[in-house]
Amino acid sequence: KNQVEQSPQSLIILEGKNCTLQCNYTVSPFSNLRWYKQDTGRGPVSLTIMTFSENTKSNGRYTATLDADTKQSSLHITASQLSDSASYICVVSERGSYIPTFGRGTSLIVHP
Amino acid sequence: EADIYQTPRYLVIGTGKKITLECSQTMGHDKMYWYQQDPGMELHLIHYSYGVNSTEKGDLSSESTVSRIRTEHFPLTLESARPSHTSQYLCASSEKNDGYTFGSGTRLTVV
Repeated sequence: KNQVEQSPQSLIILEGKNCTLQCNYTVSPFSNLRWYKQDTGRGPVSLTIMTFSENTKSNGRYTATLDADTKQSSLHITASQLSDSASYICVVSERGSYIPTFGRGTSLIVHP
Repeated sequence: EADIYQTPRYLVIGTGKKITLECSQTMGHDKMYWYQQDPGMELHLIHYSYGVNSTEKGDLSSESTVSRIRTEHFPLTLESARPSHTSQYLCASSEKNDGYTFGSGTRLTVV
């Protein structure tokens, strides 16, 4: 069964600090991996999407990495802001399937 | 700017009532999905559609039904709401396999 595991489950950091969120997956054959940001009570919003041949992709202060050999991804947030407080969800798609596998998310809280 | 719209944003109803959650998208996407999400928990797929007149049940057992008469519209209906249906319902659409666009969600409370 395809699985996506995220760590840590929750994280508290001070404003201005950097942090890294992890995602490990067993989805095979791999198609793409996406990171979403979900504010409380809202729908997820896409941050990055990475295919097999990409190992780094940035979106402003968000940088995602992908190691398809070890089936690991990370999301690095630089110079965190209070508005970064949200749940970050890793989503992995299997080639040939339109139904991706969702991770449980990492809840990030940024304190002033 | 969101191109997928869900209404209502919040709904409080009594047990036994019939309700329909609306979802519309303006992107012409063939594929649409409904997910259920409890606070702090992961998303669970309850229904999906790959096109007009095509609907399938997802992994999560659900007492809801869906219809896809038009490409842009994918409503979710609960024939008889129960307190166990209290949750957030998220609609999404996609084209090919390159990512979902989610609506803002409907927060349903059944009392």
